[in-house]
Amino acid sequence: AQSVAQPEDQVNVAEGNPLTVKCTYSVSGNPYLFWYVQYPNRGLQFLLKYITGDNLVKGSYGFEAEFNKSQTSFHLKKPSALVSDSALYFCAVSGSNYQLIWGAGTKLIIKP
Amino acid sequence: KAGVTQTPRYLIKTRGQQVTLSCSPISGHRSVSWYQQTPGQGLQFLFEYFSETQRNKGNFPGRFSGRQFSNSRSEMNVSTLELGDSALYLCASSLLGPELHNEQFFGPGTRLTVL
Repeated sequence: AQSVAQPEDQVNVAEGNPLTVKCTYSVSGNPYLFWYVQYPNRGLQFLLKYITGDNLVKGSYGFEAEFNKSQTSFHLKKPSALVSDSALYFCAVSGSNYQLIWGAGTKLIIKP
Repeated sequence: KAGVTQTPRYLIKTRGQQVTLSCSPISGHRSVSWYQQTPGQGLQFLFEYFSETQRNKGNFPGRFSGRQFSNSRSEMNVSTLELGDSALYLCASSLLGPELHNEQFFGPGTRLTVL
């Protein structure tokens, strides 16, 4: 069965420090992977995606994600966290039948 | 381009009633997906429409239904509301569909409260 796991419900990082939000997946065939962010009381916004090619994908707001095929992971990273990065982050993988398979979400809290 | 719009933004209903939510996708987008978001269950896929056809449906009871019009606008309907239907309902549009590498663009959601 195809699935996405975000093992951390919450990640706490001090402002200015690097951050990582973890995502692992299980899918047959080549995966298409996505990260979305949800700010309070708002819909989800697309951050970045991996289709093929370079394993390091750069996205919006200074975020990047590293695709690791052997570890079936697609961790979201940022070199220096901002308080405004505090939000709910979702990892998703494109499955079959025209739908995305979503992780449960990770709440990121950046403390000043 | 205008973003995805959803109406209404907030709804309060009582058990047993029915409700219709509306979604207008980004101009030119032909795929509309609906999701239910709750604190306990995360983001749950309801259904996806493309060119007025339902291509896929999530694991929800038949009380949840939807449709898409020729202008790509979509509606979802929930009949015989239950307390557990209280959630944020999100609509997302994409150019061709969420499969493969098409990113989705989300609306702000409709907050449904069932009393």
